[in-house]
Amino acid sequence: ETGVTQSPTHLIKTRGQQVTLRCSSQSGHNTVSWYQQALGQGPQFIFQYYREEENGRGNFPPRFSGLQFPNYSSELNVNALELDDSALYLCASSRDRSSYEQYFGPGTRLTVT
Amino acid sequence: QKEVEQDPGPLSVPEGAIVSLNCTYSNSAFQYFMWYRQYSRKGPELLMYTYSSGNKEDGRFTAQVDKSSKYISLFIRDSQPSDSATYLCAMSDVNTGGFKTIFGAGTRLFVKA
Repeated sequence: ETGVTQSPTHLIKTRGQQVTLRCSSQSGHNTVSWYQQALGQGPQFIFQYYREEENGRGNFPPRFSGLQFPNYSSELNVNALELDDSALYLCASSRDRSSYEQYFGPGTRLTVT
Repeated sequence: QKEVEQDPGPLSVPEGAIVSLNCTYSNSAFQYFMWYRQYSRKGPELLMYTYSSGNKEDGRFTAQVDKSSKYISLFIRDSQPSDSATYLCAMSDVNTGGFKTIFGAGTRLFVKA
């Protein structure tokens, strides 16, 4: 069984730029959630995708957007990057949207300068 | 007031000690309670998962939920240096399904050999 993978591992961007982060869900999982984890904090829910549809969103502005593909992999896009967007971005997959067992990838460390 | 409160520590204990980690919460709708372990530069890993009140044991780990007090605990018996990590509590409510899982800030644990 393949685990959750994320790419890239690290990324450095300049304020105002746009970034795309990628996630491959665990085999057999159709739900992907994205989280932002600032240094010394717990993960904060950004949004969840279930079968290619957004299934809920946390308190993040519209410049955070996502996609889920037919193979259940997912992208997180962030436009107009701000310094406060510097964080670890985590992707988690689950068997379906009603499952509370989430399996996390290793994360993408984004630094905005 | 945050929905989930967790003492960030750090907590330092000698090898073999019993460790007690705790979280309090304010949302009485939470029904699912999880504990994740996160090693440095890694994604969180699900350790324990409890529905509603009660205790659950898995090897050296015991999770307790007291819904009347809105208080959850994780106990680690015979702690090992390999248990050194950040422990995150997390909660979801039954009405929203798996999305919008709320995490605590995490407690950093150091187990000294």
